Amino acid sequence: NAGVTQTPKFQVLKTGQSMTLQCAQDMNHNSMYWYRQDPGMGLRLIYYSASEGTTDKGEVPNGYNVSRLNKREFSLRLESAAPSQTSVYFCASSRVTETQYFGPGTRLLVL
Amino acid sequence: KNEVEQSPQNLTAQEGEFITINCSYSVGISALHWLQQHPGGGIVSLFMLSSGKKKHGRLIATINIQEKHSSLHITASHPRDSAVYICAVRLYNNDMRFGAGTRLTVKP
Repeated sequence: NAGVTQTPKFQVLKTGQSMTLQCAQDMNHNSMYWYRQDPGMGLRLIYYSASEGTTDKGEVPNGYNVSRLNKREFSLRLESAAPSQTSVYFCASSRVTETQYFGPGTRLLVL
Repeated sequence: KNEVEQSPQNLTAQEGEFITINCSYSVGISALHWLQQHPGGGIVSLFMLSSGKKKHGRLIATINIQEKHSSLHITASHPRDSAVYICAVRLYNNDMRFGAGTRLTVKP
C-alpha cells in the first residue's frame, strides 16, 4: 500500500496563476483533510471531507477550493495564487474520526 | 490566545532521560492527537486519545478531560526521538486545531 500520496512534491507559481494539488489514499478511508503548515503558525486545517460527496471548511479556507472526486481522491485548488499561500501543504486521511495518516507534503512557492 | 498551547517550545535532553511534553487546550474536544514531525518534514500520528492513557513502546500519552490537559512522555529517550511533537485537538464539528509544536533534541 502506498498510503497517502501527494502530487506535486514541489511547485513554483507566479501570483495569479492557478493550480491543483492532488491527494490520493489507498486505505479505504472515509475522511480526508487538507492542511497548510507555515513557520511559526503550525498546522492549520483548510478543508476536510468527512465522506465521499461532502466537504467542509476548516480554519483557513479562503482562497482555496476542494473536490472530493471519489473515495480515494481529494484535490485542493488555488484559483489565483497569492504570495500568502506560500506554504507546505499536507493531505491526510482517516477512518471517520480515527488516527490520521499524512502524505509527504507539497512545497508551494508563490512569487 | 491559541486554543492549543504546548510546552516547552524547545527541549534538549541527554540520551536515556525521561521526557514530558505538555498540551493544554481551551475548547471542547472529541479527541486529542499527538503527532511527530521528523526533520525531513514527514508527519506521523503517534496517538489518538479521548480519555485515559495509551502506551506504545517507549511512548505514553495521557489526557485529563476535566483539566483540558494532555501529556506525552518518552521513556529512555534516544537521539532518533529528535523531532517536533505536535498536539492537535478535534472539535465536535470535526474541525482541527494544532499546537505550535515542541522541538525535541536528544543528544547522545
